[in-house]
Amino acid sequence: GENVEQHPSTLSVQEGDSAVIKCTYSDSASNYFPWYKQELGKGPQLIIDIRSNVGEKKDQRIAVTLNKTAKHFSLHITETQPEDSAVYFCAANRGFSGGYNKLIFGAGTRLAVHP
Amino acid sequence: SAVISQKPSRDICQRGTSLTIQCQVDSQVTMMFWYRQQPGQSLTLIATANQGSEATYESGFVIDKFPISRPNLTFSTLTVSNMSPEDSSIYLCSAGVGDGEGEAFFGQGTRLTVV
Repeated sequence: GENVEQHPSTLSVQEGDSAVIKCTYSDSASNYFPWYKQELGKGPQLIIDIRSNVGEKKDQRIAVTLNKTAKHFSLHITETQPEDSAVYFCAANRGFSGGYNKLIFGAGTRLAVHP
Repeated sequence: SAVISQKPSRDICQRGTSLTIQCQVDSQVTMMFWYRQQPGQSLTLIATANQGSEATYESGFVIDKFPISRPNLTFSTLTVSNMSPEDSSIYLCSAGVGDGEGEAFFGQGTRLTVV
């Protein structure tokens, strides 16, 4: 069935360094790839997304890249801050049903940013 | 965007009982979904809540265990029936904006513990 793999499962960086999280997906019909940040005790918060018609999208310190041929997309956070510490989930939509909203999630990456 | 409110935010329930979780969206949305997030794990889609018709369940989830209502375009409920300790999880409501072509947003979740 459809699957999204996410690596690494944990990531520890120093404040000011960059963090990169990588995901691969299996459903060739997927065309929407959101990233969510989940802080302890809260629901997932959408931080950035990318659609299949673009290869890269940037929003301040956060960027996402997409390689449709390789079925691979990545989250890049630059100049990390302690408040970036959270669990990050990548996701891909189920291409043939549910539009952009029916999502398959990766396993999550626990990011720790140390002052 | 959409603001999603869930009630209750947490509950401790006795095994064999049922709990109904409410999800309210601040605007009319076409797509609403229910996810389960087991402790320390990723999100798994339970079902799509269809307005005016029966919910569409994912593999491994059945209506008798997780009955869902969707009486209008802003509200849905999920019932966890005949609970066992294995049902202890966070249950999350999600709503998609833009008639399925926009982003998906999440509520803060309902943390359920079954004893």
